[in-house]
Amino acid sequence: GAVVSQHPSRVICKSGTSVKIECRSLDFQATTMFWYRQFPKQSLMLMATSNEGSKATYEQGVEKDKFLINHASLTLSTLTVTSAHPEDSSFYICSLPQGGYYNEQFFGPGTRLTVL
Amino acid sequence: GNSVTQMEGPVTLSEEAFLTINCTYTATGYPSLFWYVQYPGEGLQLLLKATKADDKGSNKGFEATYRKETTSFHLEKGSVQVSDSAVYFCALTPRVNNNDMRFGAGTRLTVKP
Repeated sequence: GAVVSQHPSRVICKSGTSVKIECRSLDFQATTMFWYRQFPKQSLMLMATSNEGSKATYEQGVEKDKFLINHASLTLSTLTVTSAHPEDSSFYICSLPQGGYYNEQFFGPGTRLTVL
Repeated sequence: GNSVTQMEGPVTLSEEAFLTINCTYTATGYPSLFWYVQYPGEGLQLLLKATKADDKGSNKGFEATYRKETTSFHLEKGSVQVSDSAVYFCALTPRVNNNDMRFGAGTRLTVKP
């Protein structure tokens, strides 16, 4: 079954509004989660690492004031896109590191954001 | 740095054709290698994985062998089905740093009846 869930799966909003996307770990406690962004027909780009109980770590070029990340519990990380603009329209995917021998990640189903 | 180079698509095949999607990587040490599949409108699903030289990952008829001498992890399937139509991503992670998962550009596969 699913290890990681995301909500909502799809959201359409007006320019200037803020949108919150939730990422939940269903089976594991997660001190770390990752947020990716995927533009149409492109690969995934890591945006930030969400750390439970501390500040997120952002990749170079990602605006931390634009993409607010909160990791308030061991099973929930949220990404808030503030003052959204049409160029923020994208597919946002979170993941949970599984570590272990393979060092793999479990990916959420993604959230499609469309900003009008 | 670590990187993945993947065969660009799109790839269009007839049902029951043989599939190969090439993937090569650049990395220090011995990364773990993965193939993920993304169906339309969905997130990534792990298809198969391998962690050391000559390991063969396999799942649902797909196979890929970790070739250290050629730094490759090509995806193959002997007989594709319409339901295999999706985007396939090759990826790697270093053995010690979860943050550094690198993806190929993705290859879109369309299988026609």
